[in-house]
Amino acid sequence: ETGVTQSPTHLIKTRGQQVTLRCSSQSGHNTVSWYQQALGQGPQFIFQYYREEENGRGNFPPRFSGLQFPNYSSELNVNALELDDSALLLCAINPGRGGEETQYFGPGTRLLVL
Amino acid sequence: RKEVEQDPGPFNVPEGATVAFNCTYSNSASQSFFWYRQDCRKEPKLLMSVYSSGNEDGRFTAQLNRASQYISLLIRDSKLSDSATYLCVVGHNDMRFGAGTRLTVKP
Repeated sequence: ETGVTQSPTHLIKTRGQQVTLRCSSQSGHNTVSWYQQALGQGPQFIFQYYREEENGRGNFPPRFSGLQFPNYSSELNVNALELDDSALLLCAINPGRGGEETQYFGPGTRLLVL
Repeated sequence: RKEVEQDPGPFNVPEGATVAFNCTYSNSASQSFFWYRQDCRKEPKLLMSVYSSGNEDGRFTAQLNRASQYISLLIRDSKLSDSATYLCVVGHNDMRFGAGTRLTVKP
């Protein structure tokens, strides 16, 4: 059991605001990925961090940024929120290295932008 | 064309039925393949990895055809608890998800 946790569980923001979401795991891991899942869609890859460096990015604008810390926790920051940013934001960890291996997801943060 | 495409569903089947999900992917360099299950308002959870030789886990059988860039999942003897959305996932440097196929198993 990887025990991936995310905070907060729910968040309501208004357009133009900024948000920071957090992800952590009980087990050590080198790789963390972030995904955005809109209603009725599959998760869309935002970016991945490996040993505190960005290690791949999906088709998301620069206002989506992230960090990975030495204790393996991670943050997703979104600036200048737009209505379409309303979604479930998920982090996922890889017990090993690289984006191709099995990923284990946290419960997600539900973001609503008004 | 989407990178990973799945049957749009939904699938509504009676208990005990056999149901098959199909998935195609566009990147021929993809190297890893998975099926995830997602319950309503929950995170995706790994159901099984998919290997070229095909693999089975109890009532679940997954197959991969690299030449056709096609993945399948077969569920035999469906249970009420199998009701969920099934996500096809393809990996090449990062993971790409299909939109999911919703399954409802009815008594």
